[in-house]
Amino acid sequence: EDKVVQSPLSLVVHEGDTVTLNCSYEVTNFRSLLWYKQEKKAPTFLFMLTSSGIEKKSGRLSSILDKKELFSILNITATQTGDSAVYLCAALETSGSRLTFGEGTQLTVNP
Amino acid sequence: ETGVTQTPRHLVMGMTNKKSLKCEQHLGHNAMYWYKQSAKKPLELMFVYNFKEQTENNSVPSRFSPECPNSSHLFLHLHTLQPEDSALYLCASSPPYRGFGDEQFFGPGTRLTVL
Repeated sequence: EDKVVQSPLSLVVHEGDTVTLNCSYEVTNFRSLLWYKQEKKAPTFLFMLTSSGIEKKSGRLSSILDKKELFSILNITATQTGDSAVYLCAALETSGSRLTFGEGTQLTVNP
Repeated sequence: ETGVTQTPRHLVMGMTNKKSLKCEQHLGHNAMYWYKQSAKKPLELMFVYNFKEQTENNSVPSRFSPECPNSSHLFLHLHTLQPEDSALYLCASSPPYRGFGDEQFFGPGTRLTVL
């Protein structure tokens, strides 16, 4: 059975801190790893990673995939209170239709 | 508000009721999805439709019945639900490139409470 595990499940930091969120996966016919941010209801897309070792960057967020060790990390530098959210990691299999999600990491950034 | 809309946003129903959830996407996508999000559990994929054809039914009980009349609309018909079906039901769609597409765009969800 496909599985995605995120750690930590929750994290509380102060503004300005740097955080690293982890995601490991065991997915048959793996294709891509996706990161989403869920603040209230709808998850919003952050990154899609398909190739190993290539960092994707968007402002203070960056992510990288290691297909040999089957994990990905999401880094957030100089955190702000607006970064408080649940960060979801999901593995997409090759047919493109099945996304397996992890439980999410609840990040709280305090002023 | 995203390009994917869901109605109603909140629904309270009894176990003997019949109700429907509606999802509409205005993004020109061809694949649509229903997910269930329960407290402290990962998002669970329920159904996938590609070009109006159901391509995935992830062992969902028959009390949940999906309908996809066209690529822009997706329904989830509910009947004789159980209290454990209370959850956030999220609809998503994805673009038509490379078959199903990779990035999924989510609606705001329907918070369902079954009494």
